[in-house]
Amino acid sequence: IQLTQSPSSLSASVGDRVTITCRASQGISSYLAWYQQKPGKAPKVLIYAASTLQSGVPSRFSGSGSGTDFTLTISSLQPEDFATYYCQQLNTLPLTFGPGTKVDI
Amino acid sequence: QVQLVQSGSELKKPGASVKVSCKASGYSFTTYTLNWVRQAPGQGFEWLGWINTNTGNPTYAQGFTGRFVFSLDTSVSTAYLQITNLKPEDTAVYFCARDSSGGNWFDPWGQGTLVSVSS
Repeated sequence: IQLTQSPSSLSASVGDRVTITCRASQGISSYLAWYQQKPGKAPKVLIYAASTLQSGVPSRFSGSGSGTDFTLTISSLQPEDFATYYCQQLNTLPLTFGPGTKVDI
Repeated sequence: QVQLVQSGSELKKPGASVKVSCKASGYSFTTYTLNWVRQAPGQGFEWLGWINTNTGNPTYAQGFTGRFVFSLDTSVSTAYLQITNLKPEDTAVYFCARDSSGGNWFDPWGQGTLVSVSS
């Protein structure tokens, strides 16, 4: 299953609302996770099962969607949110990741 | 706390082998499947496969059979990734990542091991 993300990069300001989309080449129900990765670090899970916020993740992050179309929304961008975001499908082997969306200033 | 700690960076010549370790702590090692993922420089993620830490049974993604071998030493709660006949295109950061309790996400991840292959 191929995942595409849009946009591939975006520039935003602190306080902006940011939306990233992830589209699957076939239906994956809600088996989708979102990760945040900062340079030189391992990814950190933000959202799983498409819309469930991981414990400890700020509530400004939210996820939605099912089937083939998903979104990650950051309601009010904070300085620590500048990073690259990846979606991952866990419905079908091989597990696959989207190409990433880089969010910078 | 639950964590995965990987071995350090490696610099290898083409044709050599490398073995990356991933030591788990803070949880029962044999309860959760462990995944291997790589990220080439400036690129996205490729899932190499997983290993059932209870049975030791590995599952490899297409393209990662033969030269890539997953193994375990449950006595020290450690998983291993061995890559033989290294090629320059194997240059990447290799991560281990634990399945979640629900199996629907990876958490935690190891810190990553850079394997560089160059003559």
